[in-house]
Amino acid sequence: NAGVTQTPKFQVLKTGQSMTLQCAQDMNHNSMYWYRQDPGMGLRLIYYSASEGTTDKGEVPNGYNVSRLNKREFSLRLESAAPSQTSVYFCAGRGGPGTDTQYFGPGTRLTVL
Amino acid sequence: AQTVTQSQPEMSVQEAETVTLSCTYDTSENNYYLFWYKQPPSRQMILVIRQEAYKQQNATENRFSVNFQKAAKSFSLKISDSQLGDTAMYFCAFMKPPGAGSYQLTFGKGTKLSVIP
Repeated sequence: NAGVTQTPKFQVLKTGQSMTLQCAQDMNHNSMYWYRQDPGMGLRLIYYSASEGTTDKGEVPNGYNVSRLNKREFSLRLESAAPSQTSVYFCAGRGGPGTDTQYFGPGTRLTVL
Repeated sequence: AQTVTQSQPEMSVQEAETVTLSCTYDTSENNYYLFWYKQPPSRQMILVIRQEAYKQQNATENRFSVNFQKAAKSFSLKISDSQLGDTAMYFCAFMKPPGAGSYQLTFGKGTKLSVIP
C-alpha cells in the first residue's frame, strides 16, 4: 500500500496563476483533509471531506476550493494564487467510523512569487 | 474553539537521556482524543502516540509515553533513551469527538527537539 500520496512535491507559481494539488489514498479512508503549515505554526485545516460526496470548510478556507472526486481522491485548487498562499500543504486520510487517527501524505511545498 | 499550546519552542537532550515535551489544551468537551505527531527533516508527519480522554491509563508506545492530566488539561510526551533519530519537530494535537466536526485536528505550534550525540 502506498498510503496517502500527494502530487506534486514542489511547485512554484506566479501571482494570479491557478493550480490543483492532488491527493490520493489506498487505505480505504472515509474522511480526507487538507492542511497548510506555515513557519512557526502548526498545521491548520483548510477543508475536509467527511465522506465521499461531501466537503466542508475548515479554519482557513479563503482562496481555496476542493473536490472529492471519489473515495480515493481529494484535490485542492488555488484559482488565483497569492504570495500569502506560500506554504507546505498536507493531505490526510482517516478510516471508518470509530477510527480517529489521521494519516498524512508527504506534503507539497508551494511557493507563490 | 479549541486551542493547543506548546510552551517550549525548542529543546535539546543528550543521547540516551530522557526528555519531556509539554502540551496544554483548552476545551469544554468531555470526550476527545489527543495525539503527538513527529515531523523529522523529511517533512513527513508521523503519528507517535494517541490518547483517548475517557481512558485514565496513560498511553505508551515503546520509548514514548504520555502523562495525561484531564483536570489540568495537560498532555505531556516523555521520550526515554533518546536516539539521534528522535530529532524532529513534535506537534501536539487535539481532536473533537465524533459528530462534532468530523474528527478535525487542532495542532499546537510545535516543539523542535534536538538530540545531541
